[in-house]
Amino acid sequence: DVKVTQSSRYLVKRTGEKVFLECVQDMDHENMFWYRQDPGLGLRLIYFSYDVKMKEKGDIPEGYSVSREKKERFSLILESASTNQTSMYLCASQEDGWNTEAFFGQGTRLTVV
Amino acid sequence: QQQVKQSPQSLIVQKGGIPIINCAYENTAFDYFPWYQQFPGKGPALLIAIRPDVSEKKEGRFTISFNKSAKQFSLHIMDSQPGDSATYFCAASFSGSARQLTFGSGTQLTVLP
Repeated sequence: DVKVTQSSRYLVKRTGEKVFLECVQDMDHENMFWYRQDPGLGLRLIYFSYDVKMKEKGDIPEGYSVSREKKERFSLILESASTNQTSMYLCASQEDGWNTEAFFGQGTRLTVV
Repeated sequence: QQQVKQSPQSLIVQKGGIPIINCAYENTAFDYFPWYQQFPGKGPALLIAIRPDVSEKKEGRFTISFNKSAKQFSLHIMDSQPGDSATYFCAASFSGSARQLTFGSGTQLTVLP
């Protein structure tokens, strides 16, 4: 059974803290993604990676960075958390190629106070 | 810039009804159009997908209708059940850029018993 695991279901952080969200997949997928989900806005892409150490900005990268040191692990970093980064964060992985399914983790609900 | 527009934002139907969710896209480079289903507390999961050279695809009670000239596609759920109550997202992708998915804003469907 395919699996994308996010390290935390719920996180509460203070404004200005550096926050790490971790994601691990066990499917040997090349591509990994970080989305944030907000009501009425759907899923918006923050960053993605198509290979180890390779990363590309998505639609809303400001205030975020990512790290992919190993194929199975993709980390999202909030350099200095702000209240407008309170959201649900979803990690996904996907095999490279047309018509492949993106598999999502269960999400991390981050609250910045 | 929202490249995939989804409507309605919410939908309530009686059991057995046929909810219809509509999406429109702008980027003619899109060549893969999946729908994802998300239950509370879970990440989205692939429900059904279509390619643009096909006008309709059915899987069980779920049907995608695709109109390439109008750049629109829709999801129909036949004989809807309370267990279909979830949030539905349309999406689109094109080759390159790790096949990143561009999502619509989501439709919260409630099927009343």
